[in-house]
Amino acid sequence: DTEVTQTPKHLVMGMTNKKSLKCEQHMGHRAMYWYKQKAKKPPELMFVYSYEKLSINESVPSRFSPECPNSSLLNLHLHALQPEDSALYLCASSQAPGAIEPQHFGDGTRLSIL
Amino acid sequence: QQPVQSPQAVILREGEDAVINCSSSKALYSVHWYRQKHGEAPVFLMILLKGGEQKGHEKISASFNEKKQQSSLYLTASQLSYSGTYFCGTPAATSGTYKYIFGTGTRLKVLA
Repeated sequence: DTEVTQTPKHLVMGMTNKKSLKCEQHMGHRAMYWYKQKAKKPPELMFVYSYEKLSINESVPSRFSPECPNSSLLNLHLHALQPEDSALYLCASSQAPGAIEPQHFGDGTRLSIL
Repeated sequence: QQPVQSPQAVILREGEDAVINCSSSKALYSVHWYRQKHGEAPVFLMILLKGGEQKGHEKISASFNEKKQQSSLYLTASQLSYSGTYFCGTPAATSGTYKYIFGTGTRLKVLA
């Protein structure tokens, strides 16, 4: 069992749908991350929240919209996605963003766009 | 710039040893190693810090050569549970912006 919980585990949606991915951690971490991972590739950083503030947006398309309601929760709102957005979306957390802090990952949401 | 890992893939028999390398074209200040099993989350293995010592636990250890901008992961007497994809990861700052970059990955399979 991981200490970072993501829901749902699987999601299939059409290109016109709106859905949200959720992530929760109760380790008191103050940094949370969204990654996108395609098959047989490393995770790619999408967003970083540090102390509930968005500190980086890796030029991600606006059809992905992150939200951090509080220090334990992280959402990723999805709208008008494209087939190439099908991937595993991973949430992670760490004590703070920095050189020495390892990240703890959730099991991910496997997203398929029809 | 994404760190390059070698080899890309390796197959071992139980009990054999393996070395996975992670090389960067930019200066490394710290390196994290993760293992990801199929369909699961990446799991943190260890961290190597600039100027720090070689780390290890059980039969998995790692080294960090700052001069060569390279880290290596050593798996000794491999077990079936070692199978998975290994990633190195490193924080990087570009123009004051925090980034985290994973290496290209090494797929390791241990056979009985």
